[in-house]
Amino acid sequence: GNSVTQMEGPVTLSEEAFLTINCTYTATGYPSLFWYVQYPGEGLQLLLKATKADDKGSNKGFEATYRKETTSFHLEKGSVQVSDSAVYFCALSNTGNQFYFGTGTSLTVIP
Amino acid sequence: DAGVIQSPRHEVTEMGQEVTLRCKPISGHNSLFWYRQTMMRGLELLIYFNNNVPIDDSGMPEDRFSAKMPNASFSTLKIQPSEPRDSAVYFCASSPDRVVNTIYFGEGSWLTVV
Repeated sequence: GNSVTQMEGPVTLSEEAFLTINCTYTATGYPSLFWYVQYPGEGLQLLLKATKADDKGSNKGFEATYRKETTSFHLEKGSVQVSDSAVYFCALSNTGNQFYFGTGTSLTVIP
Repeated sequence: DAGVIQSPRHEVTEMGQEVTLRCKPISGHNSLFWYRQTMMRGLELLIYFNNNVPIDDSGMPEDRFSAKMPNASFSTLKIQPSEPRDSAVYFCASSPDRVVNTIYFGEGSWLTVV
């Protein structure tokens, strides 16, 4: 089957710290992988995506590389800001237009 | 470009009342999803339509919940009768039918049942 597992939160970091949020997946075939971000009081927004192995998605300083050998898609940012405080969801999309979301990881960045 | 539009944004209702949530997907998108988000259970898929036809409704919690998509530009999620445990944020999302898909979420309908 298809599923996504992401690291438990909450995560609290100081401004300018390095961020990693782990995500691993189980899938049949060749899924597309996504990171979505949810700011307080808002819906989920696409942050970045990768559609095949070794692809790197990037946006707003965030990066994630599609690693087929380790079935992972870890989210990283070199220097977080207070404005990055949000909940981050890893997701995959496979055949049939189904989407599978992780449980979300809450990030708080303190000044 | 208009995104996914949901209404109402906030609703407070009494237990036993009927609640109807509405969604307008992005024009041209063939798939529509209803999700529920709570602190306890996170993000749950309730139902998924493709070309206005329900494809997977296995996430609909019980018979009190029903969803319709009468045309490509409108969907409703109805709860009748509502209960306090239905309090949650309900998201509508849509996606185009392409080889690589991305799902786009609305702002959510924040439901409180008292």
